[in-house]
Amino acid sequence: DVKVTQSSRYLVKRTGEKVFLECVQDMDHENMFWYRQDPGLGLRLIYFSYDVKMKEKGDIPEGYSVSREKKERFSLILESASTNQTSMYLCASSFGALLQETQYFGPGTRLLVL
Amino acid sequence: SQQGEEDPQALSIQEGENATMNCSYKTSINNLQWYRQNSGRGLVHLILIRSNEREKHSGRLRVTLDTSKKSSSLLITASRAADTASYFCATDGVSDAGNMLTFGGGTRLMVKP
Repeated sequence: DVKVTQSSRYLVKRTGEKVFLECVQDMDHENMFWYRQDPGLGLRLIYFSYDVKMKEKGDIPEGYSVSREKKERFSLILESASTNQTSMYLCASSFGALLQETQYFGPGTRLLVL
Repeated sequence: SQQGEEDPQALSIQEGENATMNCSYKTSINNLQWYRQNSGRGLVHLILIRSNEREKHSGRLRVTLDTSKKSSSLLITASRAADTASYFCATDGVSDAGNMLTFGGGTRLMVKP
């Protein structure tokens, strides 16, 4: 079974703090994704990566950055957290060259920015 | 922007009844997927149907795809309380980031025991 883990289930941070969300997958998947999920807005893609050190902007990259130094790990960074970044963050991974194939999700991190 | 839109947004049924959820999308697709999300958890892949397929089964799940109407339906037969979750369709239409998987807003299903 594919396993995608996220470093925290719940996180509380203050405005202006730098926040790191970590995601690790154990199936040697090429592709990794970060989404945020908000009521009424569905899942929105923040960033994705199709290889080590490669990253591409998704639909809503503003205020975020990512890092992929190792194939199994994809980190989402909030350089200076703001209250409008309070959300559920979901990491996913997928296999192969096509980015639209089946994705495997982590359990999510619910972030509250005060 | 959301490629797929689920209907209804919420559905409440009794255990043992069938649940049908619909998904409509806007652009041509190569495949359509359905995912399930339990409250506060990540999404779990249920089934993938390709554009040249019309129907697919997996256990109590039945998915249909009508590319002429740009719509899909997910049927859960003989529902159980454990089926209570949100269900999302995802299509591989083009988004601002390119040819990506795009998720709809989901249908919240409640199955009452």
